[in-house]
Amino acid sequence: SQTIHQWPATLVQPVGSPLSLECTVEGTSNPNLYWYRQAAGRGLQLLFYSVGIGQISSEVPQNLSASRPQDRQFILSSKKLLLSDSGFYLCAWSPTGGEQYFGPGTRLTVT
Amino acid sequence: AQTVTQSQPEMSVQEAETVTLSCTYDTSESDYYLFWYKQPPSRQMILVIRQEAYKQQNATENRFSVNFQKAAKSFSLKISDSQLGDAAMYFCAYTERSQGNLIFGKGTKLSVKP
Repeated sequence: SQTIHQWPATLVQPVGSPLSLECTVEGTSNPNLYWYRQAAGRGLQLLFYSVGIGQISSEVPQNLSASRPQDRQFILSSKKLLLSDSGFYLCAWSPTGGEQYFGPGTRLTVT
Repeated sequence: AQTVTQSQPEMSVQEAETVTLSCTYDTSESDYYLFWYKQPPSRQMILVIRQEAYKQQNATENRFSVNFQKAAKSFSLKISDSQLGDAAMYFCAYTERSQGNLIFGKGTKLSVKP
């Protein structure tokens, strides 16, 4: 069966520091991969999605970037964090572009 | 642009009773999927049920069922025999077959009273 992992689970970083969040999927090949952000008490905002290695589409201009160095690995990065980057970050995968399956998420607090 | 609207920010139901959560969407496409996701306090998003637009029959998954009205662009979730573990945020979501990017509603917070 397929599983999706995210780490770290919780992160507290100062403003201006770099960021790297990692997401990996097991048990499938060539999945579509997604990064979402959820602000407190709100819905999900799509940040990036990828349909293959090295293929990244950005939905919202921001201080973040994404990379897909391997088929089942998706990384969310920032060179310099802003206070507004705080939130709950969810990675998801999809076999065909229909339903998506989510990881456990990373709670990021920028201080 | 496609939108998903959940008009009930909060709902409450007595344990063992039935509750219906509402969702409407706006699209000009004919081929799409609709989903309900559950987000418990752990905040992991869990897929509850899916509906393909070309299927007339309403989807069911155990105690969860949907009422899909394509012409009205309505997609409600019915939870029967509510349990304490059903307490969570519920999100309605839409995606087109060709794209795969989920568009979420703002969610409905469901409380279950013992």
